[in-house]
Amino acid sequence: QVQLVESGGGVVQPERSLRLSCAASGFTFNSYVMHWVRQAPGKGLEWVAVIWYDGSNKFYADSVKGRFTISRDNSKNTVYLQMTSLRAEDTAVYYCARPLRKMQTMGGGFLEWGQGTLVTVSS
Amino acid sequence: EIVLTQSPGTLSLSPGEGATLFCRASQSVSSSYLVWYQQKPGQAPRLLMYGASTRAAGIPDRFSGSGSGTDFTLTISRLEPEDFAVYYCQEYGSSPRGTFGQGTKVEIK
Repeated sequence: QVQLVESGGGVVQPERSLRLSCAASGFTFNSYVMHWVRQAPGKGLEWVAVIWYDGSNKFYADSVKGRFTISRDNSKNTVYLQMTSLRAEDTAVYYCARPLRKMQTMGGGFLEWGQGTLVTVSS
Repeated sequence: EIVLTQSPGTLSLSPGEGATLFCRASQSVSSSYLVWYQQKPGQAPRLLMYGASTRAAGIPDRFSGSGSGTDFTLTISRLEPEDFAVYYCQEYGSSPRGTFGQGTKVEIK
């Protein structure tokens, strides 16, 4: 069955960096665009970043552009989110998500989600 | 950038009642790119509806979606105890970025 397992969250001081990982299994990873979505405590969902199935294109939310970098290693079936210059407002549960359809940016919406990893930015 | 506004913010209903949730876009969107999610506390969201009106696998038929242009609706015909949750709409046709609505909480009255 499809699994997405995030890791790498934790407590980090403002202006520091953190790298999140999302290990995928149960599907042809290199055929799917992958996304990160976050949710601040008690708040709604916020789309963060997307990477094409071959890594050729990446897009970011304005709130993280220039600070976060999405990447993937198709040989390891893993997508990453490198977060730098972290701010208190980046505190959230970070989910990786996979669309329903392969080879499409967000075709059919996000069918598969990880369990999330909590990032807390605090001094 | 398209903004999605969901209403109401909270719906207080009893099991067995029907629920109607609204999602309004700031400009016209293709219904092909409008989806709905359900999220329960401590859980990841679950895809309910895609293409505005197609139920995702395993979603019971008491859930239905409709709409076009700027106005979309998610209807739950008879609320079951497990349906009390937060519901989000999302649009993804206008850019590679997927815009979410702010959510509607369906709570037990």
